[in-house]
Amino acid sequence: GENVEQHPSTLSVQEGDSAVIKCTYSDSASNYFPWYKQELGKRPQLIIDIRSNVGEKKDQRIAVTLNKTAKHFSLHITETQPEDSAVYFCAVFRSGNTGKLIFGQGTTLQVKP
Amino acid sequence: DAGVIQSPRHEVTEMGQEVTLRCKPISGHNSLFWYRQTMMRGLELLIYFNNNVPIDDSGMPEDRFSAKMPNASFSTLKIQPSEPRDSAVYFCASSLSRERNQPQHFGDGTRLSIL
Repeated sequence: GENVEQHPSTLSVQEGDSAVIKCTYSDSASNYFPWYKQELGKRPQLIIDIRSNVGEKKDQRIAVTLNKTAKHFSLHITETQPEDSAVYFCAVFRSGNTGKLIFGQGTTLQVKP
Repeated sequence: DAGVIQSPRHEVTEMGQEVTLRCKPISGHNSLFWYRQTMMRGLELLIYFNNNVPIDDSGMPEDRFSAKMPNASFSTLKIQPSEPRDSAVYFCASSLSRERNQPQHFGDGTRLSIL
């Protein structure tokens, strides 16, 4: 089955710096890669996603890059702000009869003012 | 759009009691997912439905757990009898179509504490 590894598990940056979180996956047939942000005590919320026919996607300060050959994808947050502090989860989806999201272990991002 | 609605938001009960968690997916969504989140194990998929039919329940931990989806707008996750190790946050999520890689939208979760 699919195996998703997410790194780092914790990340602390200074306000204004960039943050990068990386996920690797094992199933080359995986074709959809969402990122979720979960603030303390709240639900995971989709912040950006990418499909396998695209190499990069950007939405304001957030971007995701996908390397299908190497089977990894990354979340990039630029000009970080204290409100970016949260747990970030990557996920991998492979359509088909057993299609389901497999989540990474999560990265706790702390942005220091 | 009201989003995915879960109830109750919090549940505290004694071990051995039956617990029923409820979920109303986003109208028009035909896939529904139940997740459990703990510090130790992260987000785990328990079961998911497509068009009200259970597709994969391999994540259901034990026979004490059961889930139903009697119609397109309602699902329940039941634990009977409950145990302290079942304490977790249980999330329900829905998406437009499992096959078309549509985003999953989560409810606010039910924080379950079994004493």
